[in-house]
Amino acid sequence: DAKTTQPPSMDCAEGRAANLPCNHSTISGNEYVYWYRQIHSQGPQYIIHGLKNNETNEMASLIITEDRKSSTLILPHATLRDTAVYYCIVVYGNKLVFGAGTILRVKS
Amino acid sequence: KAGVTQTPRYLIKTRGQQVTLSCSPISGHRSVSWYQQTPGQGLQFLFEYFSETQRNKGNFPGRFSGRQFSNSRSEMNVSTLELGDSALYLCASSFRTLGYGYTFGSGTRLTVV
Repeated sequence: DAKTTQPPSMDCAEGRAANLPCNHSTISGNEYVYWYRQIHSQGPQYIIHGLKNNETNEMASLIITEDRKSSTLILPHATLRDTAVYYCIVVYGNKLVFGAGTILRVKS
Repeated sequence: KAGVTQTPRYLIKTRGQQVTLSCSPISGHRSVSWYQQTPGQGLQFLFEYFSETQRNKGNFPGRFSGRQFSNSRSEMNVSTLELGDSALYLCASSFRTLGYGYTFGSGTRLTVV
């Protein structure tokens, strides 16, 4: 049922940019792409969302390709506290359909 | 401002019993969704309520039910508990159901023995 594909894990050096890719090739025109992250044993935390334009907030940037079939979440200066599971989600109807996510490990 | 509050945080129940979990959304939020998280299945959508009406339901058996009150607080009930119901149950609230970020609570850890 998940409509997104993400790599299972990624490593990033502390202080460097973390670029997390996501494929959502079956996305339809009015479906948003959301990114959440989950730190161990906590509830998922909203990061950012977008429809077709690139978005930026205090946490991250979201780059969506022109055909909307993929996107990239960018954490500009990763810290150890950014180690978490990152979920790329397409809002399907009134529900969030979570995939397996990407485990991001930020290393010093 | 207060976040999403879920009670209790931890719960141990015996097979065959029933359980009720509670979720208090952020003030002003009218949408409450429930999710089950297990190591094997990940995060799975249970159901969503908006203004006391169930708007969407996931693929869970009828033993899982919910409701929402006029103050937007929501409860989730699981009857005839099975060992496989052991999971972290998360609720999320939002002002609207589409186009806005959902805020999750810390969850209720249910263990069925």
